[in-house]
Amino acid sequence: DAGVIQSPRHEVTEMGQEVTLRCKPISGHDYLFWYRQTMMRGLELLIYFNNNVPIDDSGMPEDRFSAKMPNASFSTLKIQPSEPRDSAVYFCASSLGRTSGISDTQYFGPGTRLTVL
Amino acid sequence: QQQVKQSPQSLIVQKGGISIINCAYENTAFDYFPWYQQFPGKGPALLIAIRPDVSEKKEGRFTISFNKSAKQFSLHIMDSQPGDSATYFCAASTSTGFQKLVFGTGTRLLVSP
Repeated sequence: DAGVIQSPRHEVTEMGQEVTLRCKPISGHDYLFWYRQTMMRGLELLIYFNNNVPIDDSGMPEDRFSAKMPNASFSTLKIQPSEPRDSAVYFCASSLGRTSGISDTQYFGPGTRLTVL
Repeated sequence: QQQVKQSPQSLIVQKGGISIINCAYENTAFDYFPWYQQFPGKGPALLIAIRPDVSEKKEGRFTISFNKSAKQFSLHIMDSQPGDSATYFCAASTSTGFQKLVFGTGTRLLVSP
């Protein structure tokens, strides 16, 4: 398997523009997570999905952020409008999941480095 | 109560030495404690994990020590090598949290040759 795939790897945009980050999870994984990593705040969970359904979006910073998972093999994280403080590395991760609820390994993608000027 | 506190923020160890990173938590419902390793430009990757039914888990040069009463756990890297230079994150979750991991703030480890 190729692992979790994210695109683009780098994104530079201007304040006010819409940004869309994309993620393809590992085939067969039931859970998909979006994280944001900054020097100041570390690794923050933004939202996660189980079987394409958003379970917890309490980490989404504000209404400018939205995430969708239209099918089991694709998810997007959109920022509209973007602001300089959104500059960070955004990671997507997926995990196999278990019906018993026991935590399982999360596999991270390589990340998208976003710079908002 | 959901936080996981990690220390130190950075660590320099000589090659062959022991690296020790500590984490503490408050939520007694946490029952899964993984450590992730992240190299520059890469995503974090699971290194080793422990559940509270054991006090220690060893995989090669990496050992997790777990103290349930103190609500602390630590990562020990024996015979540290320059290739171990990376950022290490501890994390915790609950079975009822359905895989929602709470991460520590990370420790940047540098192993000098």
